[in-house]
Amino acid sequence: EDQVTQSPEALRLQEGESSSLNCSYTVSGLRGLFWYRQDPGKGPEFLFTLYSAGEEKEKERLKATLTKKESFLHITAPKPEDSATYLCAVQATSGTYKYIFGTGTRLKVLA
Amino acid sequence: GAGVSQSPSNKVTEKGKDVELRCDPISGHTALYWYRQRLGQGLEFLIYFQGNSAPDKSGLPSDRFSAERTGESVSTLTIQRTQQEDSAVYLCASSFWDRVLIGTDTQYFGPGTRLTVL
Repeated sequence: EDQVTQSPEALRLQEGESSSLNCSYTVSGLRGLFWYRQDPGKGPEFLFTLYSAGEEKEKERLKATLTKKESFLHITAPKPEDSATYLCAVQATSGTYKYIFGTGTRLKVLA
Repeated sequence: GAGVSQSPSNKVTEKGKDVELRCDPISGHTALYWYRQRLGQGLEFLIYFQGNSAPDKSGLPSDRFSAERTGESVSTLTIQRTQQEDSAVYLCASSFWDRVLIGTDTQYFGPGTRLTVL
């Protein structure tokens, strides 16, 4: 069964304290892995799509990486405005369009 | 251009009433998805529309839930005889899905409709 597990569930960082969020996945064949940011009361905001192991993408203080079993979202020198829930989702190559979402990591960055 | 929009943003209803939620996808996006997000949980797939193909309704939790889409535009999600367990945020997403083309999979989400059933 296709599955996505995110860890940790919650993370508190001091401003400037770099860290990584983990997304482990089990899927019959990976078509794509997606990272989203979700602020309270809002819909998920697209961050990155990764397609193959070894691929990396960056945006400001965020960098996403992908292996055959997991993805990491690295946050370098975070700021309070990076506080949000970060969601990971996968899409299988079986032709399905469905995303399978993890439950997210709630990040709080303290000033 | 404009993103995905949803209305209403909030809906409070009484148990047993019917509700209708609306989604306007990004112009030109052929695929439209509905998800449900319960408090503290991940997104749960409900239904998918792609062009004129038959929708995939496999995620609808019961026959009280239904959805329609007019061509490649607006979609409505209807919940009949609402129950308290239907309380959640209902999210709509759209994409330019193409089975073959890489890079068309990314789904863009609306702000959601928060449904509260009293």
